[in-house]
Amino acid sequence: AQSVTQPDIHITVSEGASLELRCNYSYGATPYLFWYVQSPGQGLQLLLKYFSGDTLVQGIKGFEAEFKRSQSSFNLRKPSVHWSDAAEYFCAVGGTSGTYKYIFGTGTRLKVLA
Amino acid sequence: ETGVTQTPRHLVMGMTNKKSLKCEQHLGHNAMYWYKQSAKKPLELMFVYNFKEQTENNSVPSRFSPECPNSSHLFLHLHTLQPEDSALYLCASSGGTEVVETQYFGPGTRLLVL
Repeated sequence: AQSVTQPDIHITVSEGASLELRCNYSYGATPYLFWYVQSPGQGLQLLLKYFSGDTLVQGIKGFEAEFKRSQSSFNLRKPSVHWSDAAEYFCAVGGTSGTYKYIFGTGTRLKVLA
Repeated sequence: ETGVTQTPRHLVMGMTNKKSLKCEQHLGHNAMYWYKQSAKKPLELMFVYNFKEQTENNSVPSRFSPECPNSSHLFLHLHTLQPEDSALYLCASSGGTEVVETQYFGPGTRLLVL
């Protein structure tokens, strides 16, 4: 069955510390992978996506993610977190063109300590 | 205006009311989506439209009635809702010339059913 798992419901880090948010997926075909961020009361904003090529992808706001096929993972990282990064982060997997359904993880809520 | 817009941003309605949510995308996309986001639950896909045709209905109760008059506009008509329908309703769109089918979200409508 297709699924996306974000094992950490909440993560707290200090401002300036590094961050890694975990995402594991189960998908029969080559997945398209996405990370979105949602600030309180807002919609989801695309941070980055992967579909082929270099397994390390760069996104907006200084985020990056690494696709590891052998581990079925697509973890999101940031070397130095800012207080404004406090939000909820969603990993999603989508299919090839023509399949419009995404499968979203349940999200990881990030708290940043000053 | 750019991106995906949703109106109203907040809505309070009684169980006997009829209201409509509106979504408009200015991205030249062909597919549009309605999602429901409830507290402590995963994002739920409700409906998908592609080139104005409904391609997905995820067993959504009939008190939710979508309408897609063209590829730029999507409505969600609400009637005789229940308190458990209170949630953030997100609209998204995808398509155009992107290689990877990427969904872009609006800011959402926060709905409270009394």
